[in-house]
Amino acid sequence: AQKVTQAQTEISVVEKEDVTLDCVYETRDTTYYLFWYKQPPSGELVFLIRRNSFDEQNEISGRYSWNFQKSTSSFNFTITASQVVDSAVYFCALRRSEGAQKLVFGQGTRLTINP
Amino acid sequence: GAGVSQSPRYKVAKRGQDVALRCDPISGHVSLFWYQQALGQGPEFLTYFQNEAQLDKSGLPSDRFFAERPEGSVSTLKIQRTQQEDSAVYLCASSIFGGPSYEQYFGPGTRLTVT
Repeated sequence: AQKVTQAQTEISVVEKEDVTLDCVYETRDTTYYLFWYKQPPSGELVFLIRRNSFDEQNEISGRYSWNFQKSTSSFNFTITASQVVDSAVYFCALRRSEGAQKLVFGQGTRLTINP
Repeated sequence: GAGVSQSPRYKVAKRGQDVALRCDPISGHVSLFWYQQALGQGPEFLTYFQNEAQLDKSGLPSDRFFAERPEGSVSTLKIQRTQQEDSAVYLCASSIFGGPSYEQYFGPGTRLTVT
């Protein structure tokens, strides 16, 4: 079975602080894909990143960075110099590389950036 | 360009009523997914279509839930004899192909409240 755990239910920081959102996953597959989505108050899930299990290189996109550690089954997301517009619920998700195409989501982390 | 659209955005149903939720995927997208998101939770998979074929309906919670995509584009999720536990946001997503490396683009969701 596949499972994604986001242990942090809510995080609140002051603007310009760095913040890391944790994601731990479980799967018996040797190949799989990991995702992060952002859900602002409007409700629509916005795709942020996809990572193939073969590729353990960390990725940086502007103020966002992702740390994939296959040895600890973690795929953490860091926002540097946070801004109020980063306030949202963030979901980590897992998808098999073969078979079922569904996304398995964690419970989400609600991030609040205070001015 | 046009994204995934869903209608209605909000639906209030009395317990026992039937409801139909519509999803218009991005034009040309082969794959279509339905997810259910309870309050404060991550989305959970309901069903998956590739063109008009329903390839996975393992997430449908009961036989009261039925989905169709007869012409391979618009999809309808129908819930018969609604119950209070059906209250949730129903999200539709589409992707250009069915492979795991293709992002799923989500619509804004339909918030269903059963009273």
